[in-house]
Amino acid sequence: ERVLTQSPATLSVSPGGRATLSCRASQSVSSNLAWYQHKPGQAPRLLIYGASNRATGISDRFSGSGSGTEFTLTISSLQSEDFAVYYCQLHNNWPVFGQGTKLEIK
Amino acid sequence: EVELVESGGGLVQPGGSLRLSCAASGFTVSSYYMNWVRQPPGEGLEWVSIIYSGGDTYYADSVRGRFTISRDNSKNTLYLQMNNLRAEDTAVYYCAKESYYGSGIYGMDVWGQGTTVTVSS
Repeated sequence: ERVLTQSPATLSVSPGGRATLSCRASQSVSSNLAWYQHKPGQAPRLLIYGASNRATGISDRFSGSGSGTEFTLTISSLQSEDFAVYYCQLHNNWPVFGQGTKLEIK
Repeated sequence: EVELVESGGGLVQPGGSLRLSCAASGFTVSSYYMNWVRQPPGEGLEWVSIIYSGGDTYYADSVRGRFTISRDNSKNTLYLQMNNLRAEDTAVYYCAKESYYGSGIYGMDVWGQGTTVTVSS
């Protein structure tokens, strides 16, 4: 069973700064990895699919990279609305989520 | 407009049952993979169940044998029948449409706003 491990659990960054979130898979998942943003009281939102493709309507401040077992979500020029919890997810017969990284204001 | 609206959540005693509904508009439920995902209080997202466009279903180990996912094509609605509920099933439950982008790549691109299930005596 493939497992996703996200790091760090919490990341503190100042507005205007850059955030780098990591997701590691226990086995290679090729490029089959997605990233989601989740804010309290809202539905999760798809940001990135296929490791590096931005979903419809997603700002180019969000970028994804990686393949195999190591993946990164980078958010540049952080704005107040970016502070949220971010999850990586793969689909291998069924979906699997990482445990999440909380991005908070420094 | 593509939209998912969940309903059916509420307070139920341990051992009880609930049926969640997820009404879709703007697309055909039976043409896509459809998921239920939950978030327990203070925890992260947890995948619960999926129904493929072809009808195959899968469940997380924690709910297999107690939960059943289904769809009604005539109503364009997804369901989750939850039986023998436990305190640990307490969560916000989301339905999510999963799109296929080719080359084995997927993404849950449409989500409902969620419905809250509380299992408590």
